[in-house]
Amino acid sequence: GENVEQHPSTLSVQEGDSAVIKCTYSDSASNYFPWYKQELGKRPQLIIDIRSNVGEKKDQRIAVTLNKTAKHFSLHITETQPEDSAVYFCAAPTRNDYKLSFGAGTTVTVRA
Amino acid sequence: KAGVTQTPRYLIKTRGQQVTLSCSPISGHRSVSWYQQTPGQGLQFLFEYFSETQRNKGNFPGRFSGRQFSNSRSEMNVSTLELGDSALYLCASSLSQATDTQYFGPGTRLTVL
Repeated sequence: GENVEQHPSTLSVQEGDSAVIKCTYSDSASNYFPWYKQELGKRPQLIIDIRSNVGEKKDQRIAVTLNKTAKHFSLHITETQPEDSAVYFCAAPTRNDYKLSFGAGTTVTVRA
Repeated sequence: KAGVTQTPRYLIKTRGQQVTLSCSPISGHRSVSWYQQTPGQGLQFLFEYFSETQRNKGNFPGRFSGRQFSNSRSEMNVSTLELGDSALYLCASSLSQATDTQYFGPGTRLTVL
């Protein structure tokens, strides 16, 4: 996306290890940061999101951290499992909040 | 509550033809966004509609157009199809803003021959 950069583009981890994906955004007014998971042949689904009034949010094995000063946010997956294998997208809204800009995606492969 | 639906799910067209895709949002959602997804290109924003008005448009040629009806259902049209238009077209609905959770439809897979 034009406003959101996502790294790495591919990530291979051993089952049980952690995975971290990082995104940076350019619009300092952005205040909402969702993460989507897209399994092969399926639609993107929201897995977690964070708003700018908090620095971290957790949901079981996944967590998102936000650094507004540096304008970056990260997805953390702990104790990875084979079902975590998918493409993950981060996103951030533009100034007028009518559009979400998506990162290019990270293909995560969990090796058994 | 029923999810976002898209029809048709698959389309095969030839160059020069036109195509219309349909998206029915979740009941109560008034914002519909459209995205083009191609391998290696991620999700490219096409346009967003709210209350029958286009509020934002991505960097796509004028061959790509859309509209929204009073019941919030949305259609997108691609005229004079090119080979490069082959992609998965996804729509997503939300209550009213991009900062509201967006829910995606299953997509329409368009193949241009």
